[in-house]
Amino acid sequence: SYVLTQPPSVSVAPGKTARITCGGNNIGSKSVHWYQQKPGQAPVLVIYNDGDRPSGIPERFSGSNSGNTATLTISRVEAGDEADYYCQVWDSGSDHVVFGGGTKLTVL
Amino acid sequence: QVQLVESGGGVVQPGGSLRLSCAASRFTFRNYGMHWVRQAPGKGLEWVAFTRYDGSNKYYADSVKGRFTISRDNSKNTLYLQMNSLRAEDTAVYYCAKDSTRGTIDAFDIWGQGTMLTVSS
Repeated sequence: SYVLTQPPSVSVAPGKTARITCGGNNIGSKSVHWYQQKPGQAPVLVIYNDGDRPSGIPERFSGSNSGNTATLTISRVEAGDEADYYCQVWDSGSDHVVFGGGTKLTVL
Repeated sequence: QVQLVESGGGVVQPGGSLRLSCAASRFTFRNYGMHWVRQAPGKGLEWVAFTRYDGSNKYYADSVKGRFTISRDNSKNTLYLQMNSLRAEDTAVYYCAKDSTRGTIDAFDIWGQGTMLTVSS
């Protein structure tokens, strides 16, 4: 089955840039979506189709996808960005939705 | 605004059954695929099941296949998850989520607040 690998944690100082990676075999051939989940809350879609932003999501959030790695980039990080972030793809080979294990973003 | 509200969670003994519901409002429910996703305490997100907008195609995670059944009633704008032969490892918050497309699987653009299922004797 298809596997997505994320680092368990990423730390960044306020105002700096955070990059969260999502690794998968030839993930560049798939559409990757990213979700933000704050404690006690439901996930929220922050990036879809590799790099598109839903309405209401700040421009500070961007995404890219190539080769074996997709990346969520958060520019000018704020304290309110502290959350768990999950990548997700649809694996047509197995007819399964796959989530990465999640990355906890800590704002120092 | 667009809303999904889950209900039906609770405490069930191992081997028991339960049905979760997800009521949709303020969007054309019959036009979109729908999912169930769960999250065990302190763990990550795990996709559970999907149904196409018209219920014609359904997919399941290996961990629940043969035990869980996803269904929908488009006349009632409601999504269901029938869970049988429950195990301790099914303990989780269960979210319903709206797919952004009708027939294919894409991003989950709307999520409910979740309902907690605890499987314990």
